Amino acid sequence: QVKLLQSGAALVKPGASVKMSCKASGYTFTDYWVSWVKQSHGKSLEWIGEIYPNSGATNFNEKFKGKATLTVDKSTSTAYMELSRLTSEDSAIYYCTRLNGYGPYWYFDFWGPGTMVTVSS
Amino acid sequence: DIQMTQTPSSMPASLGERVTISCRASQGISNYLNWYQQKPDGTIKPLIYYTSNLQSGVPSRFSGSGSGTDYSLTISSLEPEDFAMYYCQQYDSSPNTFGAGTKLELK
Repeated sequence: QVKLLQSGAALVKPGASVKMSCKASGYTFTDYWVSWVKQSHGKSLEWIGEIYPNSGATNFNEKFKGKATLTVDKSTSTAYMELSRLTSEDSAIYYCTRLNGYGPYWYFDFWGPGTMVTVSS
Repeated sequence: DIQMTQTPSSMPASLGERVTISCRASQGISNYLNWYQQKPDGTIKPLIYYTSNLQSGVPSRFSGSGSGTDYSLTISSLEPEDFAMYYCQQYDSSPNTFGAGTKLELK
C-alpha cells in the first residue's frame, strides 16, 4: 500500500535552515509528482511546490520561491524539502503528498503524517 | 491567486444529520474542485475530486456538487467518524489554493 513517511519534528533557530524528508513506498516513486503543503498552527493549507522525481522538474508557489528547495533521491524513493532563512512565520506542519490523476481529474491522493517545524531561539 | 471562501467556518451538528459545506471561488474554476478531510490527529485524505467524483473507499454518504464559482460538499447522515475538518481545493490555476476549512463539531 502507498505510504509517505516523513521525518520527525524539528526545532530550529531563526535564520537557520531545515531539511525534511518524505520517504515513499508502495508505488513507483518516479511516476508521480510529490507536492509539499504548509499548515500553520490552526490555519488552512498552503501549497508550496511540487517535484517530479523522474526528471527533478519543479514548480513553486511564487510565495515560496527562494524559501523552499525541493530535491529527490531516486535510489531511496525519498523527496526532500529544505527551508532557508527561517523565521517564526515558518513554524508550521509541513505535509508531503502525492499527486494523482489524469485528464481533468487531479488531486492529492496520499498524504504523509506531517513534519512539525518550530522556529525559536 | 484564486481565493476560496469556505462556509461555515464551524458547524455544530448531530449524528444522523444531513450537512452541507459551501465553497466559493473568487473566479470560475470549471469544476476543478476537490474536497479533503483532516482528522484531529492531522491525517488528511481526499473525499471528492473534480467536484463530484467520490474517492475510492469513501462512503457514499459523501457527495459533491457545483459549477462555476459555487461548490458544496454534503454528508447525508453524519457518523461519529465524520467530525473533522473539511477543506476545499481548487486546481484550475496555479497555485492551487485551499479554503480556510470547516470544522464539523458534535452538537
